[in-house]
Formats: sequence, structure tokens, C-alpha cells
Amino acid sequence: SQTIHQWPATLVQPVGSPLSLECTVEGTSNPNLYWYRQAAGRGLQLLFYSVGIGQISSEVPQNLSASRPQDRQFILSSKKLLLSDSGFYLCAWSAQGRNQPQHFGDGTRLSIL
Amino acid sequence: SQQGEEDPQALSIQEGENATMNCSYKTSINNLQWYRQNSGRGLVHLILIRSNEREKHSGRLRVTLDTSKKSSSLLITASRAADTASYFCATALSGYSTLTFGKGTMLLVSP
Repeated sequence: SQTIHQWPATLVQPVGSPLSLECTVEGTSNPNLYWYRQAAGRGLQLLFYSVGIGQISSEVPQNLSASRPQDRQFILSSKKLLLSDSGFYLCAWSAQGRNQPQHFGDGTRLSIL
Repeated sequence: SQQGEEDPQALSIQEGENATMNCSYKTSINNLQWYRQNSGRGLVHLILIRSNEREKHSGRLRVTLDTSKKSSSLLITASRAADTASYFCATALSGYSTLTFGKGTMLLVSP
């Protein structure tokens, strides 16, 4: 069966520090991959999605970037974190094609001090 | 503004009662999906209903879709305390593989 791993679960970082969040998927090939951010009491905001290695689409201009160095690995990065980058970050995958559900990791709670 | 908007924002019921949550959206969709999120966790997919479908069932869950009114409802029958969570609708626009999520309905089921 397919599984998705996301780490770390919790992260506290100072303003101006770099960031690297990693997400890996097992048990499937060539998935679509997604990074979301969820503010407290809000819905999910799509940050990036990828339909293949090296193919990244950005939905919102921001202080973050994403990379997909391998088929089942998706990385969210920042060179210098801002206070506004605090939030709950979720990675998800779906199979290629239409009418596919998304499957989420357990998220990373990021607090910027 | 959000493509999908859930109503109500919060719902509090007793165990055994039914819970109904609604979702409205603005543009034509390919499918609509419902997800559950327990506090501090990732989202779990519940049901996907395609634009040419009107109703789907999964266990105690029933989802309806009215494309003429651009709305959907999620019914949870005989609710349990374990159903306490936030519920989100998400829409897939025609021709796109991404989803747009609403802000969710917080459901509290009391024993």
C-alpha cells in the first residue's frame, strides 16, 4: 500500500534562518505531489505542485521554493524565514489523471520566533 | 475568494444524531471531494463525487451534488464522538489536477 512520510512533525526556527521540509511517498510511481499551508482555523492554501521530476508549479508568490529531486521526494525550502511563514505545512500526493483523491501526510507545525 | 465555502462553520450535536454540512462553489467543476481532519493531523479523503453524479454513499456518509445550484452536502448518520473533526470540501476545476479547499466545518459530537 502507499504511504506518505513528512518530517519533522514540529519545528521552531528563528526569523532569517533557512528551512527544509521533506516529504517522501512509498508504494507508487510518478505521483502528483503537493505542498499546502494551513493557517489556524483556515482552509488549505496550495503552495506548490509537481507532476514530475523537476517540474514545479507555484501557486502563490512567496518566500518559499520547492524542488522534486526524485520521483517520490518533494522538498519545501526557504533561504530566510519570515514571521509570516509560521503555519501548518502539509504534503500530499495523488495518482496521475482526473478524478483522483489526494492523500496527506501528518504535517509539520512550523513556528517562527 | 474561496472556490468552496462550507456551512455551517461549526456544528455541535449529540452522539446518535445526524450531522449535515454544506458546501457551495462558484465555477464549473470536474469533481468535488470531502475530507476530514482531526486536530493537528493531516487530511483524510472521505468521498469523491464526479460532476455527472448526484449522490454517493460510503458507510455512514452520504454526499449529494447539485451542479445546477453549485452545492454539495455531506451527511453523517448516527454520529459518534470519534466523528469529531473538521470537514472540508474541495473542488477540482475542469481541466485542472489541483484542488481548491474551503475553510471547513468544525464538528463536535458529544457523548
